[in-house]
Amino acid sequence: DVVMTQTPVSLSVSLGGQVSISCRSSQSLVHNNGNTYLSWYLQKPGQSPQLLIYKVSNRFSGISDRFSGSGSGTDFTLKISRVEPDDLGVYYCGQGTQYPPTFGGGTKLELK
Amino acid sequence: QIQLVQSGPEVKKPGESVKISCKASGYTFTQAGMQWLKQAQGKSLKWMGWINTNTGKTTYAADFTGRFVFSLETSASTAYLQITNLKNEDMATYFCASLSPHWFAYWGQGTLVTVSS
Repeated sequence: DVVMTQTPVSLSVSLGGQVSISCRSSQSLVHNNGNTYLSWYLQKPGQSPQLLIYKVSNRFSGISDRFSGSGSGTDFTLKISRVEPDDLGVYYCGQGTQYPPTFGGGTKLELK
Repeated sequence: QIQLVQSGPEVKKPGESVKISCKASGYTFTQAGMQWLKQAQGKSLKWMGWINTNTGKTTYAADFTGRFVFSLETSASTAYLQITNLKNEDMATYFCASLSPHWFAYWGQGTLVTVSS
């Protein structure tokens, strides 16, 4: 299985600040069809995860442009700018290139 | 709007069975497979497998063979997850998710299964 490693495990941020979360995969996430199926999710307390970003850098419907994804191959980054209270929770990266789909361990974003 | 609505929390004893439902609305049920994921308390997400809502064909992840069964009631746009012979390690929140084979666009609200003697 592809192992997804996220860093850091937790992050403290001031409202209005900017943060970056890193996600590294144990194998390249480039699919045979040329697409890279790396996605990012936010799970707020007591809720199900919500899709933020798919295929590395595509924002899902309704997601603010304060969220941006980048990267290639095995190294990926999620950046959140102008952090708002509603951004707090646990962020997960996930890969859908190889079966089975796998997820990182999560990064908890908290207020400083 | 697209919604996946799951059945409510369950409390079961070890050895019992549980069946969780996931009712889809806002899209054609058979246009996309239904995926199932497990999240133990305080842990990350684990993909369990998926069911092809057109053919009923099921695919299970290696850790979820034998006691786990995906099924459909297509006329009701509903997918089911049944777990038999429940064990303590099955205690978790279970999610259904759909609408892409490569990422998880829409999620149910989750069903908490508590296993306790």
